[in-house]
Amino acid sequence: DVKVTQSSRYLVKRTGEKVFLECVQDMDHENMFWYRQDPGLGLRLIYFSYDVKMKEKGDIPEGYSVSREKKERFSLILESASTNQTSMYLCASSLIGKLFFGSGTQLSVL
Amino acid sequence: QQPVQSPQAVILREGEDAVINCSSSKALYSVHWYRQKHGEAPVFLMILLKGGEQKGHEKISASFNEKKQQSSLYLTASQLSYSGTYFCGTTGGNTDKLIFGTGTRLQVFP
Repeated sequence: DVKVTQSSRYLVKRTGEKVFLECVQDMDHENMFWYRQDPGLGLRLIYFSYDVKMKEKGDIPEGYSVSREKKERFSLILESASTNQTSMYLCASSLIGKLFFGSGTQLSVL
Repeated sequence: QQPVQSPQAVILREGEDAVINCSSSKALYSVHWYRQKHGEAPVFLMILLKGGEQKGHEKISASFNEKKQQSSLYLTASQLSYSGTYFCGTTGGNTDKLIFGTGTRLQVFP
């Protein structure tokens, strides 16, 4: 069965901290995505990676960076967390356009 | 950049029909539909790739008008299990980067 695993279900961080959100897929997919989900705003794309070390900015990349050193792992980095980055973060990988999502990480920045 | 979905919310009785619309200001290559139940990750429903294409999935079908840059999702004879938030996602040109709309919340009551 297809599996996308996000390292934490809930995370609480302080303003200014550097935060790493990890995502691992076991399907050898080339494409991986990071979205954030906020009420009324839907799923907004932060970054997209189409191969190892290859990335494209999404609609809201400000304040975030990503790392993809291995095909199966896609990390989202908040360089200096701020309260407006409190959100649900969803990772996904895709095959022929079909996305498989992880269960999400609810990040609270205090 | 995000496609626009309408309506924002729909309330139905079991057995009733609904239509959810998705439109974009940009040229579309494909339209994707996902459903997210409360507290769960979004789940793939279908992809439409060609202009004027229509696809079906149980009693849920969709159309894609490439020229109008629009897609519609049709839910017929709705069931309680159809409740959730529906998202359309779009890609443009030669990329798998998927941009989602703001979602339509559907509630089906007995």
